[in-house]
Amino acid sequence: GNSVTQMEGPVTLSEEAFLTINCTYTATGYPSLFWYVQYPGEGLQLLLKATKADDKGSNKGFEATYRKETTSFHLEKGSVQVSDSAVYFCTLKAGGTSYGKLTFGQGTILTVHP
Amino acid sequence: GAGVSQSPSNKVTEKGKDVELRCDPISGHTALYWYRQSLGQGLEFLIYFQGNSAPDKSGLPSDRFSAERTGGSVSTLTIQRTQQEDSAVYLCALGDRGPTEAFFGQGTRLTVV
Repeated sequence: GNSVTQMEGPVTLSEEAFLTINCTYTATGYPSLFWYVQYPGEGLQLLLKATKADDKGSNKGFEATYRKETTSFHLEKGSVQVSDSAVYFCTLKAGGTSYGKLTFGQGTILTVHP
Repeated sequence: GAGVSQSPSNKVTEKGKDVELRCDPISGHTALYWYRQSLGQGLEFLIYFQGNSAPDKSGLPSDRFSAERTGGSVSTLTIQRTQQEDSAVYLCALGDRGPTEAFFGQGTRLTVV
């Protein structure tokens, strides 16, 4: 079956530091890839997505590139802010004729200090 | 999240009681998912409805758990004879078959005492 493995946390950074959260996946067919974010006390919301190989998703200064050759979708941000403190989930959606079932990584807690 | 209403937002129940959690889509989507999130844990898949296809129930942890989706719209997740380990936030999400994102509700926080 499909699976997602993401970097274990928690990750603690100072403001303006560079962020990378690694994510690799195993899937059959052609999945779509997403990063969801959960801010403290809030529900999950989409951060960015990429639907095919070599696509780059970007939003709020975050980027991730769909790498089929390495089955990866690492999340990066050049300069984090305190407001980026949240839990980040790498997510795979089965593609092709599959059901569209979502598979989540275990989540990475990010804390950014001033 | 926009388009998904879950009720109740909080539920405290005694061990052994049955509970029913509701997911009410405000906008139309063909797919509906239930996940649960325990404290400090990731998202655990429970069940997935896609259109008129048979639901994928592979994530339901025991036969105490069941879910239905009526008329392709409202869904209820029922937990019978609740146990303390059922305490978690239960999340409903809506989506579609294609390479599109899912929209999550705010969840129901279930506490079994």
